Amino acid sequence: RKEVEQDPGPFNVPEGATVAFNCTYSNSASQSFFWYRQDCRKEPKLLMSVYSSGNEDGRFTAQLNRASQYISLLIRDSKLSDSATYLCVVDSSNTGKLIFGQGTTLQVKP
Amino acid sequence: GAVVSQHPSWVICKSGTSVKIECRSLDFQATTMFWYRQFPKQSLMLMATSNEGSKATYEQGVEKDKFLINHASLTLSTLTVTSAHPEDSSFYICRVRGGARGNTIYFGEGSWLTVV
Repeated sequence: RKEVEQDPGPFNVPEGATVAFNCTYSNSASQSFFWYRQDCRKEPKLLMSVYSSGNEDGRFTAQLNRASQYISLLIRDSKLSDSATYLCVVDSSNTGKLIFGQGTTLQVKP
Repeated sequence: GAVVSQHPSWVICKSGTSVKIECRSLDFQATTMFWYRQFPKQSLMLMATSNEGSKATYEQGVEKDKFLINHASLTLSTLTVTSAHPEDSSFYICRVRGGARGNTIYFGEGSWLTVV
């Protein structure tokens, strides 16, 4: 079983739609969780950290469910520029050694 | 501007040759560098972790004699793919951790390697 699992998609949505991505992780001792965004042929960029209480940054909302070992990312009012691959990332040992999910591809259409 | 510089961005080499990829931290001391590899449509896979002045720690399944990592200074780490083969063609990317509190984390821009 992979340490971090995501549905690879692709998710094809119209502009303005709300879309949600899910991710599960296997190591119950994991402490730090992140969502990264990766554009085609580019390095990943931190989108947001994920906190136990859930957190929001503009149109983006991240949730963490430790009991289910489940992380989610909600994007509201999708823009064309949101088209990218979204990577669920876990620091399973709190050493900075990040484990990446396969990524979920989002295509926002006009 | 970039705080981690990775070079080269793109490289094409012949099968059997070696390629060196550099990762430099520009504005801070990099105590730890992580090297990842990403095949198309796949996740970033950690290859090895290197601390300045120490030997790299390789992940299971990664050949240390094939992927030579040197982290001789606090600002530079290199990954050398020795005797490259077409199956080594991939996106290689470094991630740097450092700074005064050790919690500064940045990715390099990545290097696309194509072995022909």
